[in-house]
Amino acid sequence: AQSVAQPEDQVNVAEGNPLTVKCTYSVSGNPYLFWYVQYPNRGLQFLLKYITGDNLVKGSYGFEAEFNKSQTSFHLKKPSALVSDSALYFCAVRDIYGGSQGNLIFGKGTKLSVKP
Amino acid sequence: NAGVTQTPKFRVLKTGQSMTLLCAQDMNHEYMYWYRQDPGMGLRLIHYSVGEGTTAKGEVPDGYNVSRLKKQNFLLGLESAAPSQTSVYFCASSRTGVSGANTGELFFGEGSRLTVL
Repeated sequence: AQSVAQPEDQVNVAEGNPLTVKCTYSVSGNPYLFWYVQYPNRGLQFLLKYITGDNLVKGSYGFEAEFNKSQTSFHLKKPSALVSDSALYFCAVRDIYGGSQGNLIFGKGTKLSVKP
Repeated sequence: NAGVTQTPKFRVLKTGQSMTLLCAQDMNHEYMYWYRQDPGMGLRLIHYSVGEGTTAKGEVPDGYNVSRLKKQNFLLGLESAAPSQTSVYFCASSRTGVSGANTGELFFGEGSRLTVL
């Protein structure tokens, strides 16, 4: 079965410092990977996706993610964190089995806290 | 520019009562989804639809029913609510990609917080 894991429940970063939110995946074949962000009391918003091609994917709000096939990882990164980046971040993989129509399988989420 | 709209936003039910959550999207998307979000559990797919008149079960369908009579609407019903269905429910939609499957870029509503006493 396909899955993603987010090993950290929470990540704390000082404003201005680089941030990394980790995600590892387990799939057969080539993965389609996604990152979503959820601000308090809001729905999830799409940030970026990896389908194929360049291993470094750029997305919204200055975020980027690096696909690493050998380490089966898709970590979310930002060079300089903002207090407004504080939110819940979800990694997801597209399910390609069982007639699922490519539904997304979400990780459990990582809470990012950026302190001034 | 409404996107995905969910009603109601909040609801309190007693065990055994029934209710319906309504989701409406104005983007002409084929795919629509209902998820529930619980602390430490991430998002779990309840039911989904790949087009008007079609529905399918997701990961946690028990205790829920859905209908998609119109392309823009996706209804989630609870026939006999249980405390275990206390959760935040999210509706989402996505368009069809060139392969015929969904693109994976989901648009979410603001959520509906349901409490079952």
